[in-house]
Amino acid sequence: LAKTTQPISMDSYEGQEVNITCSHNNIATNDYITWYQQFPSQGPRFIIQGYKTKVTNEVASLFIPADRKSSTLSLPRVSLSDTAVYYCLVGLLSSGSARQLTFGSGTQLTVLP
Amino acid sequence: DVKVTQSSRYLVKRTGEKVFLECVQDMDHENMFWYRQDPGLGLRLIYFSYDVKMKEKGDIPEGYSVSREKKERFSLILESASTNQTSMYLCASTLPGQGANEQFFGPGTRLTVL
Repeated sequence: LAKTTQPISMDSYEGQEVNITCSHNNIATNDYITWYQQFPSQGPRFIIQGYKTKVTNEVASLFIPADRKSSTLSLPRVSLSDTAVYYCLVGLLSSGSARQLTFGSGTQLTVLP
Repeated sequence: DVKVTQSSRYLVKRTGEKVFLECVQDMDHENMFWYRQDPGLGLRLIYFSYDVKMKEKGDIPEGYSVSREKKERFSLILESASTNQTSMYLCASTLPGQGANEQFFGPGTRLTVL
C-alpha cells in the first residue's frame, strides 16, 4: 500500500500561487495520483488526476516528477473560497479491487485576505 | 450532474444497536465505496463494491458489513454499534476504468454512538 504524507496545514494570501506536496515513496507502477478538495460539512470533490509529468485543467495543475515518489498540486491565484482541506489519493482502482486506494491525511489550506 | 445521496446527515445511536447507513447514486456507476473520516486520519476505506452483490473489504472492515442488492444503492451496516465507530461516514461512486478515477462523494453522515 502506498503510504502518503502531506503537510497538516498551509497559509496563503489571496492572489498567490499555492503548491501542496504529497509524498508517496512506495507508489506502485500502476498507481495514479488524484487530488480532492473538501469544504466543511461536504464530501470531497475531485480536482485533478495524473500518472506522470504534468496535468493541467481549468482549476489546477499537477506536477509529478520522473520517479513519481511525490506530487505537487498547484493552485494559481487562490481566493478566499479556496480555503479547504486538500487530499492526495494514490492507488489503482482495478476490476474487483480497491484496496490499493490510500488517502493522505489532508492539508488544511487557509487563504488570508 | 452526478448525485450521491446519503440517508441521514446526522445520526445518534446507542451502543449495541444495529445501524443502517444508506447511499444512493443516480449515474449508473458500477463502483461504490464506503469510507470513514476521522480527524488526523483522513479517509479510510471500509468496503468497496464493483457490482451488484459483489463486495470487497477495504482497510478497516472490522465491525462493518455491506449490502448491494441494486446497482444504485449501497448500504453500510454496523451490526452492533460501538463508541469507537463514532465518525463521519462518506459514500462515493465511480465508473470503472483506469486509475483511481473521479469519485463522486455524498455529503456524509455524522454518526454518534453513545
